Amino acid sequence: EVQLLESGGGLVQPGGSLRLSCTASGFTFSNYAMSWVRQAPGKRLEWVSAIRGSGENIYFADSVKGRFTISRDNSKNTLHLQLNSLRAEDTAVYYCASPPLHYASTWAHYYFEYWGQGTLVTVSS
Amino acid sequence: EIVLTQSPATLSLSPGERATLSCGASQTVGSNYLAWFQQKPGLAPRLLIYDASSRATGIPDRFSGSGSGTDFTLTISRLEPEDFALYYCLQYGRSPYTFGQGTKLEIK
Repeated sequence: EVQLLESGGGLVQPGGSLRLSCTASGFTFSNYAMSWVRQAPGKRLEWVSAIRGSGENIYFADSVKGRFTISRDNSKNTLHLQLNSLRAEDTAVYYCASPPLHYASTWAHYYFEYWGQGTLVTVSS
Repeated sequence: EIVLTQSPATLSLSPGERATLSCGASQTVGSNYLAWFQQKPGLAPRLLIYDASSRATGIPDRFSGSGSGTDFTLTISRLEPEDFALYYCLQYGRSPYTFGQGTKLEIK
């Protein structure tokens, strides 16, 4: 059974930093691209960042480019999102998400089949 | 980026009725890479439909997806009490992937 478990959320002041983690189980983590998706209170879902299985290819939404970094430790089945220079508008529940189990690394595009339970990031003074 | 617009914003129906939710794209969604999700309060989204019309594993056959290009539809043939929730569409045909603003399906 695929499981994704996020951690690291909390209250942080504007301009501060936070590191989110997502621990995966139930599949061969290193073979799968992974993504972060966030949802601000009462707002639509927003894709934030993605990383290929090898970690070589990384993508960001314009809204976080230059402030957030994504990384993965395939030996620990863990995905990270480093949030720097945080703003009030970054307040959201952050989800990690993975593609279907039949995903292949040759896929250029994929949908999010599996989601974690989310971790809340609140940026406020 | 591709902007997805869902309609209606709120849909009020009774159990047993048919629900039709729409998702319109500002540009053609390549290869019909369009998915639908259901979300209940405090929970993560649940995948219902991918590739515009393929049902995800474990999803009841009362859920169906259709459409192509810029116009997509999620149909729930006979509403069950557990179907009342928020529904989002997602396009994953062009980066950045984008979501619609959601349709709230509420009990009439």
